[in-house]
Amino acid sequence: LAKTTQPISMDSYEGQEVNITCSHNNIATNDYITWYQQFPSQGPRFIIQGYKTKVTNEVASLFIPADRKSSTLSLPRVSLSDTAVYYCLVGDRQAGTALIFGKGTTLSVSS
Amino acid sequence: DTGVSQDPRHKITKRGQNVTFRCDPISEHNRLYWYRQTLGQGPEFLTYFQNEAQLEKSRLLSDRFSAERPKGSFSTLEIQRTEQGDSAMYLCASSSSLTPGYTFGSGTRLTVV
Repeated sequence: LAKTTQPISMDSYEGQEVNITCSHNNIATNDYITWYQQFPSQGPRFIIQGYKTKVTNEVASLFIPADRKSSTLSLPRVSLSDTAVYYCLVGDRQAGTALIFGKGTTLSVSS
Repeated sequence: DTGVSQDPRHKITKRGQNVTFRCDPISEHNRLYWYRQTLGQGPEFLTYFQNEAQLEKSRLLSDRFSAERPKGSFSTLEIQRTEQGDSAMYLCASSSSLTPGYTFGSGTRLTVV
């Protein structure tokens, strides 16, 4: 079973900020939180990874509260091309144990 | 390095036939994973290699499935006596402890008719 819970779907309009929240109540001390994006007929693509507080890169931000039991992926000013499935996963990066995917969140961006 | 490469991209086979897929990971990555994905579902873990050692195997993986990673480089996934339920996208990913996340290939789409 996946260790995370996230909404099945979300809708947005172009130019809006989208926040997808993921719950991981049983996160372990060594676990990192990683988000992937997947388009149809392609493999998932790494977006961002974090352990605590806030991480930002050129495509997204990841907010992790102090208790680490949840995290929020923030996509600024989405476009139609951000329509995809987004997966939140937790796992021990050093141990290399395989990540378990859930069903993800299907984000639909409209014009 | 052009990322994770999978071959073939598509495979149509008759039920009962054997098929083999190949994955070439990023050369610096010592970890390699196989996943299977069906429509509307997230990728389902099949097996994991660290270098040439197969360290983890899903209980869902039947005896008809076997994977190898000789010399810790490329990997092959073989399905014997294919069934219609094996129809799926088979994804390979690689990683290392030094870089975040997995890098996935584009997958091999298997159709069993």
